[in-house]
Amino acid sequence: QKEVEQNSGPLSVPEGAIASLNCTYSDRGSQSFFWYRQYSGKSPELIMFIYSNGDKEDGRFTAQLNKASQYVSLLIRDSQPSDSATYLCASNTGFQKLVFGTGTRLLVSP
Amino acid sequence: DAGITQSPRHKVTETGTPVTLRCHQTENHRYMYWYRQDPGHGLRLIHYSYGVKDTDKGEVSDGYSVSRSKTEDFLLTLESATSSQTSVYFCAIIRDSYSYEQYFGPGTRLTVT
Repeated sequence: QKEVEQNSGPLSVPEGAIASLNCTYSDRGSQSFFWYRQYSGKSPELIMFIYSNGDKEDGRFTAQLNKASQYVSLLIRDSQPSDSATYLCASNTGFQKLVFGTGTRLLVSP
Repeated sequence: DAGITQSPRHKVTETGTPVTLRCHQTENHRYMYWYRQDPGHGLRLIHYSYGVKDTDKGEVSDGYSVSRSKTEDFLLTLESATSSQTSVYFCAIIRDSYSYEQYFGPGTRLTVT
């Protein structure tokens, strides 16, 4: 069973802080990884994807991938109350299919 | 919503009745997906399609069937709805077959009573 694991949270951070969201995966064959943000009652929206070891930055977001440790993380700098949402991690297991974690709820307090 | 519409957006139905959900895309993408999302389980793949008349099962396909007779439409059918199929259903597409980024429609909330 190919799995993606996330802590359900909530992860609480004050406004302006760095939020660190983590994800582990079981399938060593996974090639790429995706972070989605989902507001309550809305559909998931893609934040970014990563497929190479190391860091990938996009604005306030940085994705980090460590394939040896089977670990993916998302850092959100200068967190804002509008970042409060559930963050979903997903891995591409091949054949254009994604496996999703259950998500981490982030709460950013003003 | 990535040029994807889903209909209906909300539906309440009774146990044992057939239900069809529609996903419509306007951008001629090859890959389309149906997921369900439930508390504690996250998003789970039901079925997916890689072209007209080409479909395959996902991890939770029991009780569901799909059809894709046109590129733009991907239909999900619950032949005989059960209460366990109460869920939020999302359709998704891949825009870029290199990166496999999936983009989601607005979702359909289905309640089976």
